[in-house]
Amino acid sequence: DAGVIQSPRHEVTEMGQEVTLRCKPISGHNSLFWYRQTMMRGLELLIYFNNNVPIDDSGMPEDRFSAKMPNASFSTLKIQPSEPRDSAVYFCASRASRETQYFGPGTRLLVL
Amino acid sequence: RKEVEQDPGPFNVPEGATVAFNCTYSNSASQSFFWYRQDCRKEPKLLMSVYSSGNEDGRFTAQLNRASQYISLLIRDSKLSDSATYLCVVNIGTSYDKVIFGPGTSLSVIP
Repeated sequence: DAGVIQSPRHEVTEMGQEVTLRCKPISGHNSLFWYRQTMMRGLELLIYFNNNVPIDDSGMPEDRFSAKMPNASFSTLKIQPSEPRDSAVYFCASRASRETQYFGPGTRLLVL
Repeated sequence: RKEVEQDPGPFNVPEGATVAFNCTYSNSASQSFFWYRQDCRKEPKLLMSVYSSGNEDGRFTAQLNRASQYISLLIRDSKLSDSATYLCVVNIGTSYDKVIFGPGTSLSVIP
């Protein structure tokens, strides 16, 4: 099993640019989670999907953030426009029903 | 009060020592509890689930006290490879989907 796959692994961009993070969950998992981790705030849940449907996006910081899951094997998290305070590690995780979450390696985002 | 709180770190212990981490949670309706481990610049990984009766996995023992809303992790005979950040994880109320990660406790095992 390849595990959760995220791309890119590192992203450096300038303020105001659009950033798109990608995630491929583990095959057969029906829940997908996007998290953000910073030193100040720790690991925060941004949004999660069950069976490709967004269930709770209350953790999405503001309208600049959007997430989609067009099918069971792919999800994106988009930031437009990006700001320096968005710099963080973004993790995607997937899970089969009521099982543990498996995290991807993360995308390290730096917005200059 | 934060939803999940953990011992402040870092913990610096010699090899072979026994170390205990504590975690408190605020939602009395929470049903699922976990300990995750996160190595530096890596993703969190499940260390163990925490069951009501307490459970053990090798050198690791997890305990749950629902009355006090308290979870603990005990590591015996610490190894250098145990050096990591340990995250307490609790589901939110009756939802099995949403979990809250604690801020983590950093452990350094010293030769």
